Amino acid sequence: EAQVTQNPRYLITVTGKKLTVTCSQNMNHEYMSWYRQDPGLGLRQIYYSMNVEVTDKGDVPEGYKVSRKEKRNFPLILESPSPNQTSLYFCASSIGLAGFQDTQYFGPGTRLTVL
Amino acid sequence: GQNIDQPTEMTATEGAIVQINCTYQTSGFNGLFWYQQHAGEAPTFLSYNVLDGLEEKGRFSSFLSRSKGYSYLLLKELQMKDSASYLCAVRAPDYTGANNLFFGTGTRLTVIP
Repeated sequence: EAQVTQNPRYLITVTGKKLTVTCSQNMNHEYMSWYRQDPGLGLRQIYYSMNVEVTDKGDVPEGYKVSRKEKRNFPLILESPSPNQTSLYFCASSIGLAGFQDTQYFGPGTRLTVL
Repeated sequence: GQNIDQPTEMTATEGAIVQINCTYQTSGFNGLFWYQQHAGEAPTFLSYNVLDGLEEKGRFSSFLSRSKGYSYLLLKELQMKDSASYLCAVRAPDYTGANNLFFGTGTRLTVIP
């Protein structure tokens, strides 16, 4: 089954304790992206990757890191989480071809609470 | 910056028709998407428009006018399960030339009996 998976689905942590949220897709997609979703603000892009070893900042990258060492995986790293990073996080992937109906497929989401 | 506006909330009656509007001002345009998102779940793809006009898919239709920076999603024969948030998203190039999706804040639709 074609899918995007994220782990963990729920996480409660404390300020300053490094954490990683994993994202994996099995569709051989080149483009992957991380979003955060907050009430009243909608989905905002954190980082994206056009291909292996190619990553770039989205609208709200501060406090986050990513890596893309393999095509299928795109982990999100919070080196020193703070309470303002409490949010619902989504990973998404797509083929990555502009000019086509390049639908983004979303993972199930990770609900993160930083105390 | 990219600006995408849609109403925050709408209510409609089961069996009726509802139109959810979206206006956008973006630097560049490579397509407009509508997603459905049930509370606490992932967004799922509904429709895509890149040329002006109406795209119909069963009970759902989406319209685009690029000159007006305007789109709408039309839902017919509303069912209770259509209660969800509807997200308008525009694909546009960023400063690197990469095509990213920029989302509106979503319209929460409540269907009442």
